[in-house]
Amino acid sequence: QLQLQESGPGLVKPSETLSLTCTVSGGSISSSSYYWGWIRQPPGKGLEWIGSMYYSGSTYYNPSLKSRVTISVDTSKNQFSLKLSSVTAADTAVYYCVRGVLLGNGDDHYMDVWGKGTTVTVSS
Amino acid sequence: SYELTQPPSVSVSPGQTARITCSGDALPNQYAYWYQQKPGQAPVLVIYKDSERPSGIPERFSGSSSGTTVTLTISGVQAEDEADYYCQSADSSGVVFGGGTKLTVL
Repeated sequence: QLQLQESGPGLVKPSETLSLTCTVSGGSISSSSYYWGWIRQPPGKGLEWIGSMYYSGSTYYNPSLKSRVTISVDTSKNQFSLKLSSVTAADTAVYYCVRGVLLGNGDDHYMDVWGKGTTVTVSS
Repeated sequence: SYELTQPPSVSVSPGQTARITCSGDALPNQYAYWYQQKPGQAPVLVIYKDSERPSGIPERFSGSSSGTTVTLTISGVQAEDEADYYCQSADSSGVVFGGGTKLTVL
């Protein structure tokens, strides 16, 4: 059974870069059927898509975050990563890594496997 | 990018039917998906491709689509169904979530 596990610092200072890694176990990240991505949820608020990537390295990002986001993959470690630069308190959230199932009609996909989430607080 | 609109809250008594709607201009051309999120837990997919139910999801969960609105229906609501529900859609411009609906079982 595929499992995703987020890891990274729980506290980041304002203006610095948030870095998280998602380790995939029970399956290969190098599959043509899936996207791999990140979703976040600020305290008491709804879900916000950050970005998704294909194992080959192609990515697409939430337009509102695009200038600050980088998602990358390390197929040798079966991991993918998130970097969010110039963070502020508004970036405080639970961050989830997810697997997205591609439907084969362009970029349409849905998230069928979620990590448990990791809380990141932006504070000095 | 487009928006998906959900009612903030829906209340229903145990055993009754709950209907949660999600509206968006792109929905006639895009599939919708539904997630259930209980406090302190990650979301769980309950409906995909408008009306398909993943394995392990109870039959009381169903989905439908009509024009610019999709609906998640929970028949015979149980206390354990109390949760937040989110709709989602995706296209080449990105992934969009609705604002979420809190289902309260009275």
